[in-house]
Amino acid sequence: DTAVSQTPKYLVTQMGNDKSIKCEQNLGHDTMYWYKQDSKKFLKIMFSYNNKELIINETVPNRFSPKSPDKAHLNLHINSLELGDSAVYFCASSDDRRVTEAFFGQGTRLTVV
Amino acid sequence: KQEVTQIPAALSVPEGENLVLNCSFTDSAIYNLQWFRQDPGKGLTSLLLIQSSQREQTSGRLNASLDKSSGRSTLYIAASQPGDSATYLCAVSNTGNQFYFGTGTSLTVIP
Repeated sequence: DTAVSQTPKYLVTQMGNDKSIKCEQNLGHDTMYWYKQDSKKFLKIMFSYNNKELIINETVPNRFSPKSPDKAHLNLHINSLELGDSAVYFCASSDDRRVTEAFFGQGTRLTVV
Repeated sequence: KQEVTQIPAALSVPEGENLVLNCSFTDSAIYNLQWFRQDPGKGLTSLLLIQSSQREQTSGRLNASLDKSSGRSTLYIAASQPGDSATYLCAVSNTGNQFYFGTGTSLTVIP
């Protein structure tokens, strides 16, 4: 079983569209994250949720809205997509009751054309 | 704000060599440090996690050390193999709820 799974793996869309990326973890973790990896491979946190509550919201355009329907899911919705949104988006989770080792999904490569 | 730097940015070694990857961070008040591996077009695979109270962790041919006071960690890879070729990332957590990533070291092991 995949611990952290994201869908879709690839997403190609036109500017101005609205899209969502889904993330699910089956590890029973309390905290989930969204990271963005740019063209230089640098990973930067976007959002962090703990028990369905937003705890970190880095400087991210408000076109990006995370939604956590339950502790095991953290979806990322993006409105009015721009060319600069093209990147790889990673979902991750960790258990802050213990060692806080982070587990990452396989990533979603978003290409805006 | 925590800043994480990895040196070198790229490394190419012949198969069988031992090698060291370096990671430095600016804020020593960390919760833990984690080393990841990323293959091209793939996600991140956790290699080793070192808690702030620990000095090192070992897994197979990998050994990671942590010197919190000097803001440094090293990842030692023994007897490198072509399959070790990947980008290695270190990440530190200050609060347990966020990970700050380094810029990565791209490793190529030549057969």
